[in-house]
Amino acid sequence: QKEVEQDPGPLSVPEGAIVSLNCTYSNSAFQYFMWYRQYSRKGPELLMYTYSSGNKEDGRFTAQVDKSSKYISLFIRDSQPSDSATYLCAMNRIQGAQKLVFGQGTRLTINP
Amino acid sequence: EAGVAQSPRYKIIEKRQSVAFWCNPISGHATLYWYQQILGQGPKLLIQFQNNGVVDDSQLPKDRFSAERLKGVDSTLKIQPAKLEDSAVYLCASSRGGLRDRGLSEAFFGQGTRLTVV
Repeated sequence: QKEVEQDPGPLSVPEGAIVSLNCTYSNSAFQYFMWYRQYSRKGPELLMYTYSSGNKEDGRFTAQVDKSSKYISLFIRDSQPSDSATYLCAMNRIQGAQKLVFGQGTRLTINP
Repeated sequence: EAGVAQSPRYKIIEKRQSVAFWCNPISGHATLYWYQQILGQGPKLLIQFQNNGVVDDSQLPKDRFSAERLKGVDSTLKIQPAKLEDSAVYLCASSRGGLRDRGLSEAFFGQGTRLTVV
């Protein structure tokens, strides 16, 4: 069993739709939960991160963490074609090595 | 602030040949990572340095892969001999923080080197 599971998609939605991306994990030691966005032929870039459980909002993006269920989500409101990319969830432990464990990535396309 | 620089961007080699990738992290970043990203998968950590010391190389295939970070700045990753399954994008990342830092130290990624082994 992988430490982090993520549906690879692909996911295709019309412009303006609300997008929900999800990951599950098995290691209860994870404390930081991150979402990276990766455009084609580019390196990943950090989009949002959340420490422990709870919600965090940044503009059109909302990250949620439910540690009791070992489940994290990223919501994108009013989706734009420029949001088309692969979204990777990643996690690491609070202290010690900053080793990031990534999910497989979900390929998202927003259709105009 | 300049980003993480990697070279070359693309490389095609035959199996059993050797290849080397170079990374220049963001100035002042103590921690440097090499990740392997196979098509359709998330990045997998190969090796992590703090300054010029190895922190984690548990997933590095040491029989064929090697990496070094001289003087705690630039780093090179080498594969010798290459196998077909080494075809992937090799991503270098760096972060300011070190092992004893609390909180999240954001990792910044380079554009990667796309390796094709034929």
